[in-house]
Amino acid sequence: ETGVTQTPRHLVMGMTNKKSLKCEQHLGHNAMYWYKQSAKKPLELMFVYSLEERVENNSVPSRFSPECPNSSHLFLHLHTLQPEDSALYLCASSQDRSSPGNTIYFGEGSWLTVV
Amino acid sequence: QKEVEQNSGPLSVPEGAIASLNCTYSDRGSQSFFWYRQYSGKSPELIMSIYSNGDKEDGRFTAQLNKASQYVSLLIRDSQPSDSATYLCAVRNFNKFYFGSGTKLNVKP
Repeated sequence: ETGVTQTPRHLVMGMTNKKSLKCEQHLGHNAMYWYKQSAKKPLELMFVYSLEERVENNSVPSRFSPECPNSSHLFLHLHTLQPEDSALYLCASSQDRSSPGNTIYFGEGSWLTVV
Repeated sequence: QKEVEQNSGPLSVPEGAIASLNCTYSDRGSQSFFWYRQYSGKSPELIMSIYSNGDKEDGRFTAQLNKASQYVSLLIRDSQPSDSATYLCAVRNFNKFYFGSGTKLNVKP
């Protein structure tokens, strides 16, 4: 148990579907992240929210839409995805401060398959 | 994306040996450095963090940082089969964390 909970753990969706991934952190952090992990590629930083404000959007296609209603919850809304979007989507959180010990903690991930 | 480079491996070591994992990074503004372990089908878990030049030891693990060379390493002493996993190097610049693609380590009994 890492303190970061993701649902669903597995999702299969068609290219015309609309679905959402949910993340909740119980660590009292104020920054939350979405990463994409594809086979044999580095973790790709998708979005960063700090104090509920989006501070990073790493050239992610508009078919991915994040939402951060408060510092504990983060969503990733998915629509009209492509098969190449199939991957492990990892949510993470950290305490947004400049101290060297600031560390990022991951949820268990949501495995997404687009058919 | 800031670049973090790692040898993908696999790195094979016998049980009880020292495993040495290396990482280089491109952003001189990086402030902190991390090693994560990721088992197949699981999410990354933090092993160690380091932010000052030199060595930092925690049990069987030693992280080494050389900011002038933009180089981070992880030594695992007395390697165990349970250490077999992919090891991810990460660097932090303010509230952004960038990861390498990982080095796969196999520890043979």
